[in-house]
Amino acid sequence: GAGVSQTPSNKVTEKGKYVELRCDPISGHTALYWYRQSLGQGPEFLIYFQGTGAADDSGLPNDRFFAVRPEGSVSTLKIQRTERGDSAVYLCASSPGQGAYEQYFGPGTRLTVT
Amino acid sequence: RKEVEQDPGPFNVPEGATVAFNCTYSNSASQSFFWYRQDCRKEPKLLMSVYSSGNEDGRFTAQLNRASQYISLLIRDSKLSDSATYLCVADTGRRALTFGSGTRLQVQP
Repeated sequence: GAGVSQTPSNKVTEKGKYVELRCDPISGHTALYWYRQSLGQGPEFLIYFQGTGAADDSGLPNDRFFAVRPEGSVSTLKIQRTERGDSAVYLCASSPGQGAYEQYFGPGTRLTVT
Repeated sequence: RKEVEQDPGPFNVPEGATVAFNCTYSNSASQSFFWYRQDCRKEPKLLMSVYSSGNEDGRFTAQLNRASQYISLLIRDSKLSDSATYLCVADTGRRALTFGSGTRLQVQP
């Protein structure tokens, strides 16, 4: 079946601009996660949704970052006033739900802030 | 200090060799552990979960030592296709996975 999909695959933006990154989880998966991966590092947790609500947003670095999942399926990660330090690969993952720990990752969006 | 620490490598081994990676975790509340594999410019993919009793999947064996807070991955009979970065992962039950920085493996012909 279809895996996690993310769009766009690449995004180049200028410092100070606003960007939206989209994630479409595996059908039926109720849990959705956003991570950020910088070169040479492992993914770092940003936020976790269970259904429509953000169950844990402790990884969001500051208030320029915000994510929504209004219908419990697709999620959008929003970054305001982008900075060069925001450049990274943004990964989305999903898992079946409360009792399942295995997370399945999408291909990521490579964000470059110039 | 990072919560999950791994030797970054690279580990350069010939085909057919046995190679072992270790990783340590600092949060004693960690409950679940995994190894993920990540190819260059690709997403991480789950390789295997790690259980206290140890578990094996073909050429891959994972071990967990809770007392010493370390996790290991053993790969036997290495193949060229095993070349990748191996990420050690811990989960405290918050569902937010904590990744190590990865260990790079290069299997050479």
